[in-house]
Amino acid sequence: AQSVTQLGSHVSVSEGALVLLRCNYSSSVPPYLFWYVQYPNQGLQLLLKYTSAATLVKGINGFEAEFKKSETSFHLTKPSAHMSDAAEYFCAVSTLTGYSTLTFGKGTMLLVSP
Amino acid sequence: ETGVTQSPTHLIKTRGQQVTLRCSSQSGHNTVSWYQQALGQGPQFIFQYYREEENGRGNFPPRFSGLQFPNYSSELNVNALELDDSALYLCASSLKGQPNYGYTFGSGTRLTVV
Repeated sequence: AQSVTQLGSHVSVSEGALVLLRCNYSSSVPPYLFWYVQYPNQGLQLLLKYTSAATLVKGINGFEAEFKKSETSFHLTKPSAHMSDAAEYFCAVSTLTGYSTLTFGKGTMLLVSP
Repeated sequence: ETGVTQSPTHLIKTRGQQVTLRCSSQSGHNTVSWYQQALGQGPQFIFQYYREEENGRGNFPPRFSGLQFPNYSSELNVNALELDDSALYLCASSLKGQPNYGYTFGSGTRLTVV
């Protein structure tokens, strides 16, 4: 079985500040990890994914995440927040076993103030 | 490359009624998964279809059922609607056995049960 824990249901930052959204996973087999962003009343857009290649993954809109196996973490960062980054962010895990579906965390709402 | 299209975008149903939601998968993908996202929650896996058969199921009752067609499009049917079925229903397409290729989501169908 696999699971994802996202620490902090809400994170507030000022425009231009560092963004750090935390994600820890649990998986008995090597995981594939994803970050998705969801804007109000919209579906999920893929930000980035870890697929066992480089541990530091760069995504769209200046986001990146680092896979740390020893810490079972996949935290999402962005050096400088922009107002347009305000949205809900979901971390998800999948594996090659079973029917390979996504298991999501509960999400973190990112609030960006001017 | 076409993305994932879901229809309708919104609908309102009365408790006890039945509803059918539709999803067309991304070109080149052969697997469709359905998720339910209640307000303020992460998406929850309902079931997955591959080769026109249910390939895996989450913790949802049998009144949630589905179909996949030869062109890989899919339907989600919910019978005997309950108030708690009100949610955003998301469809995601992928390649069977290739989670590293990612999952493409549609914009969702917002179902309101009154």
